[in-house]
Amino acid sequence: AAGVIQSPRHLIKEKRETATLKCYPIPRHDTVYWYQQGPGQDPQFLISFYEKMQSDKGSIPDRFSAQQFSDYHSELNMSSLELGDSALYFCASSLGGSFLAGSSYNEQFFGPGTRLTVL
Amino acid sequence: DAKTTQPPSMDCAEGRAANLPCNHSTISGNEYVYWYRQIHSQGPQYIIHGLKNNETNEMASLIITEDRKSSTLILPHATLRDTAVYYCIVRVGNDMRFGAGTRLTVKP
Repeated sequence: AAGVIQSPRHLIKEKRETATLKCYPIPRHDTVYWYQQGPGQDPQFLISFYEKMQSDKGSIPDRFSAQQFSDYHSELNMSSLELGDSALYFCASSLGGSFLAGSSYNEQFFGPGTRLTVL
Repeated sequence: DAKTTQPPSMDCAEGRAANLPCNHSTISGNEYVYWYRQIHSQGPQYIIHGLKNNETNEMASLIITEDRKSSTLILPHATLRDTAVYYCIVRVGNDMRFGAGTRLTVKP
């Protein structure tokens, strides 16, 4: 079965450079989530999109932005990179609908992650 | 979101049941209990979720106390491949907020 695809899998950048991470959700999934996991830390929710609109926002720095495109893939844009941005970045997708509006919970399927190293 | 408390680590013998506890004493009426796990540096994997009734699927069982202040994830026959960090999350909504989980080590 098709899974969530993330590219690139590994990325090395210098401080103050920019980076773009891409996420391709499972076919028919309309919701995308981004998470950051620093070394030895737990995953931290950054941001999510449902039907190309931002649906929730977590601890995403102002230097980061993201969007979801018409084909439902998503990109996380990171500018002015800092050493502390070195982490695993996971994307997850689900078949959405508004959970708060009463639709059932749909599990998130996570991608393999992009390992970003900032030197 | 309600805060959860899990033991930092647990061991389990292969083939035995692994019982992972989670305290969520401040849970509110509309918050669900979710369990995810993460096997070394892989993306987290959904296990199970519930509101107030006990739930079972092909991976695990979830037992929620009547007052909903705690729950237990049960892996009925743990295998070496179940070694992972297990996260208990209490939340309304789809976005998961991962806290400090339990590192389960299944030993031969």
